[in-house]
Amino acid sequence: DAGVTQSPTHLIKTRGQHVTLRCSPISGHKSVSWYQQVLGQGPQFIFQYYEKEERGRGNFPDRFSARQFPNYSSELNVNALLLGDSALYLCASSFRVLGPYEQYFGPGTRLTVT
Amino acid sequence: ILNVEQSPQSLHVQEGDSTNFTCSFPSSNFYALHWYRWETAKSPEALFVMTLNGDEKKKGRISATLNTKEGYSYLYIKGSQPEDSATYLCAIISSGSARQLTFGSGTQLTVLP
Repeated sequence: DAGVTQSPTHLIKTRGQHVTLRCSPISGHKSVSWYQQVLGQGPQFIFQYYEKEERGRGNFPDRFSARQFPNYSSELNVNALLLGDSALYLCASSFRVLGPYEQYFGPGTRLTVT
Repeated sequence: ILNVEQSPQSLHVQEGDSTNFTCSFPSSNFYALHWYRWETAKSPEALFVMTLNGDEKKKGRISATLNTKEGYSYLYIKGSQPEDSATYLCAIISSGSARQLTFGSGTQLTVLP
């Protein structure tokens, strides 16, 4: 079975631009969560979607948005990119909403903002 | 904002040594704790999900305990091997309708052959 997939693997953008990151969960998983990880820190929670509804949001500005599609795949959108948005963006899927269920992480998208 | 602390920040042990790390968190509104292992150039891998006070879980040479009343969890590795070298992350979920996973900064383990 395929694991969680993310695209693209790497991305270079300029300040002020917009970016869309994509995630496909494990088959049968209905929850997708997004995380931002910068060097030396643990992943920071951005969003959780379950059954196409937002079920959790971390402390990120409104420039960050996401959505989940009927096939449970998800997109993370970041507008007006800042240098500080450079990070590894991880997507994770789980069977149900965050809690007592294991999460399975994708390989991440490395975003560099210049 | 939850404060999840992990100690030590990094650790070097010899092959064959046993070791343990700590994850501390606020005990109020606790819902679940996750442990992950993150090897370089790979995705974080789920080790354990724990919810009940007194929980003990084991997977091979790795085990974990949970104390929700005092707000800590221990991760133990028995007979460390070089392939155990990784960053070990714990993460907490608080109770409530809006669920989010708050990670600690991790413990970086290096097992020397």
